[in-house]
Amino acid sequence: GQNIDQPTEMTATEGAIVQINCTYQTSGFNGLFWYQQHAGEAPTFLSYNVLDGLEEKGRFSSFLSRSKGYSYLLLKELQMKDSASYLCAVKGGANNLFFGTGTRLTVIP
Amino acid sequence: GAVVSQHPSWVICKSGTSVKIECRSLDFQATTMFWYRQFPKQSLMLMATSNEGSKATYEQGVEKDKFLINHASLTLSTLTVTSAHPEDSSFYICSATGLAGSQTQYFGPGTRLLVL
Repeated sequence: GQNIDQPTEMTATEGAIVQINCTYQTSGFNGLFWYQQHAGEAPTFLSYNVLDGLEEKGRFSSFLSRSKGYSYLLLKELQMKDSASYLCAVKGGANNLFFGTGTRLTVIP
Repeated sequence: GAVVSQHPSWVICKSGTSVKIECRSLDFQATTMFWYRQFPKQSLMLMATSNEGSKATYEQGVEKDKFLINHASLTLSTLTVTSAHPEDSSFYICSATGLAGSQTQYFGPGTRLLVL
């Protein structure tokens, strides 16, 4: 089966840095994705990791360790508009995406 | 690039009716399309995977006779919820892959279904 764990909720201050962790146990691994989802909207793609290490894209970075079944999404210089749910998703052996429950991030002034 | 549209964005229907939702890839050919369902405050649950010209593969627990999927072309997939009931009320989202060299799934804006 597939098991993907993320914290349910996090709160951080505007301008700060926040790290959202994701651990996974899946049958097959073809990459890990992070998506952002605002309430009532579809997810938007943030990052993709298939090899170990850090991928940086502007204010967002994503890290992967395949041996540990672990990833994190790092958000820097937080803005109020970053308040959203962040979904960790693993592409399994059949190329299907399996999503975690998502982390609801609230950015406060 | 990589724009996926869905139609309609909102639908309200009576119990027992059927509802069709369209998913289109606007600027690329989608070799594979996926249908998800999301209940309030929950994550996306994959319902089925659809490849152009072949039968959809359904996830365990998803009734294929209730959720009919047709992927007739490389830019269009449809999901028909047959004999909808109030418990089918949910947010239905499609995604598509097929952009050359990309593993990423691009999501449509979603369709909110309310069955009365």
